[in-house]
Amino acid sequence: GAGVSQSPSNKVTEKGKDVELRCDPISGHTALYWYRQSLGQGLEFLIYFQGNSAPDKSGLPSDRFSAERTGGSVSTLTIQRTQQEDSAVYLCASSPWASGSKWTEQYFGPGTRLTVT
Amino acid sequence: AQSVTQPDIHITVSEGASLELRCNYSYGATPYLFWYVQSPGQGLQLLLKYFSGDTLVQGIKGFEAEFKRSQSSFNLRKPSVHWSDAAEYFCAVGAKTSYDKVIFGPGTSLSVIP
Repeated sequence: GAGVSQSPSNKVTEKGKDVELRCDPISGHTALYWYRQSLGQGLEFLIYFQGNSAPDKSGLPSDRFSAERTGGSVSTLTIQRTQQEDSAVYLCASSPWASGSKWTEQYFGPGTRLTVT
Repeated sequence: AQSVTQPDIHITVSEGASLELRCNYSYGATPYLFWYVQSPGQGLQLLLKYFSGDTLVQGIKGFEAEFKRSQSSFNLRKPSVHWSDAAEYFCAVGAKTSYDKVIFGPGTSLSVIP
């Protein structure tokens, strides 16, 4: 079956431009996360969608970052006026609502490598 | 607030030696606990998870982890390390009783000497 997919796999953009990163979660997964991973660093939480609840945006580093999830499925992370410090791998993950338990593991996409020149 | 610490930033072991990676968490409710591995240039893969029941859980690739509530720990172990185990390892915690997001630790980088 299909896993989490992300597009594009690589994106090079000029400083000041806007970029959109896309995440297609596994069908039926109610939770969707965005993380940022800078070179040699851990996972930095950005935003979390769970079903129809209001998203947890507590990890977004600035108001240049935003994300939406349409129809409870596909999500788009938008970075406006990109800066060089935005260069990183952006990871998306999804997880289902498992019967009998409230949580199960996250399934990660391959990531989008963003380079801001 | 939830938090996860992995005290060892980097560990080097010889191939065939045993391994223990430490993970400590802080959370008021009973947690769900995970270990993920990220091999160079690869995505994150789940190694194992603890939700309830037996506190010693077995995972893929010969890994196991033990949940110790009294110590708020969930350490990852492997009796004999292989060169292919060189990777970044992340511990994560999620809350059982709410919609709280899963929190990842900073990771431990493992190097294996042939």
